Amino acid sequence: QVQLVESGGGVVQPGRSLRLSCAASGFTFSSYTMYWVRQAPGKGLEWVAVIRHDGNNQQYADSVKGRFTISRDNSKGTMYLQMDSLRAEDTARYYCARPRDNSLGTKYFDPWGQGTLVTVSS
Amino acid sequence: EVVMTQSPATLSVSPGERATLSCRASQSVGSNLVWYQQKPGQAPRLLIYGASTRATDIPARFSGSGSGTEFTLTINSLQSEDFAVYYCQQYDYWPTFGGGTKVEIK
Repeated sequence: QVQLVESGGGVVQPGRSLRLSCAASGFTFSSYTMYWVRQAPGKGLEWVAVIRHDGNNQQYADSVKGRFTISRDNSKGTMYLQMDSLRAEDTARYYCARPRDNSLGTKYFDPWGQGTLVTVSS
Repeated sequence: EVVMTQSPATLSVSPGERATLSCRASQSVGSNLVWYQQKPGQAPRLLIYGASTRATDIPARFSGSGSGTEFTLTINSLQSEDFAVYYCQQYDYWPTFGGGTKVEIK
């Protein structure tokens, strides 16, 4: 079945870096645009970044632009989020999410991974 | 950015009753609107896409309606497993989510 498994979260000091991974299985990873979505503790959901199926186009939310970098390795079925210059407000659970289908206009998600928690604190 | 506003923030409903949740977009998003259900400690689960189409394996008691800027999620005959937080999300532009409605047991 389709599965997304995030890893790499943890506690990090402000200004430091962290890299998250999302391992995909059960579908043709290289055919899908992929997303990162985050959720601060007790709060709502926020789209963070998106990468096209071939890795040739990335877009970011204004809140992370210039600090976060999304990438993917289709040969490994894995997506990454490099997070630099972390701030307290980046504290959240980070979800990897796949669009329901691989049409360009499908910017909603099914399935989601279980998420990995990032805590930015001194 | 399209701002999504959900109301009410909390809805208290008795099991077996109907729940009606609202979602408003700051500009028209056509029918490019989905609803998710999220339970504590779990990832969101897709319920409705295209404003009114149920996702795979979603029970018929869940229904969505609306277009443009006003949308509604209706849950008929609430079951114990339906008590959760519900989010709307538009996908006409880059995705943005509402703040959520918590459906709690009355």
